[in-house]
Amino acid sequence: AQSVTQLDSHVSVSEGTPVLLRCNYSSSYSPSLFWYVQHPNKGLQLLLKYTSAATLVKGINGFEAEFKKSETSFHLTKPSAHMSDAAEYFCVVIRGSQGNLIFGKGTKLSVKP
Amino acid sequence: NAGVTQTPKFRVLKTGQSMTLLCAQDMNHEYMYWYRQDPGMGLRLIHYSVGEGTTAKGEVPDGYNVSRLKKQNFLLGLESAAPSQTSVYFCASTNAAEGGGSSYEQYFGPGTRLTVT
Repeated sequence: AQSVTQLDSHVSVSEGTPVLLRCNYSSSYSPSLFWYVQHPNKGLQLLLKYTSAATLVKGINGFEAEFKKSETSFHLTKPSAHMSDAAEYFCVVIRGSQGNLIFGKGTKLSVKP
Repeated sequence: NAGVTQTPKFRVLKTGQSMTLLCAQDMNHEYMYWYRQDPGMGLRLIHYSVGEGTTAKGEVPDGYNVSRLKKQNFLLGLESAAPSQTSVYFCASTNAAEGGGSSYEQYFGPGTRLTVT
């Protein structure tokens, strides 16, 4: 069955430094993977998605993620963190043909000035 | 377009009371979903619908019922609320993609914060 594991529950970076949020997936076939972001007291917004095209996926706000089949990973990165990036980030995999999303437990990103 | 809207935004219930959460979307999406979000748990799927008049159970369906009488609306009901149902509830919708899988970007509503005392 499809699942995702977010390896860090909390990541803290300084403004201007790189961001790395880690996600490993488990899937018996080529998965569709997403990263969503949730700002405090807000709904969820799609950052980017991987659907078996290019392995390096670019998203909004300068984020990108690389699908690595050999490592079963889909880590989210950004070269330079902004204060506005402080939020909770969810790695998500699709299960089944009806679009059911399976969420990781989330990584809270803090950005220090 | 308003996208996905949820009513109400906040609600406090006493144990044993009932209520219905309303989700509406104006994007003509076929698929709609209800999730609950609890601290440290991510979002978990309660029920979903792949079309008007159809519903199915998700990961955590117990204590909830749903109905999809109109394509644009998806209702989540709690018949007898329990403190364990204190959570933030999110509705989402998406289009069905021909061939499945690749276009399942879900659009989320702003959430309903429910407290059961």
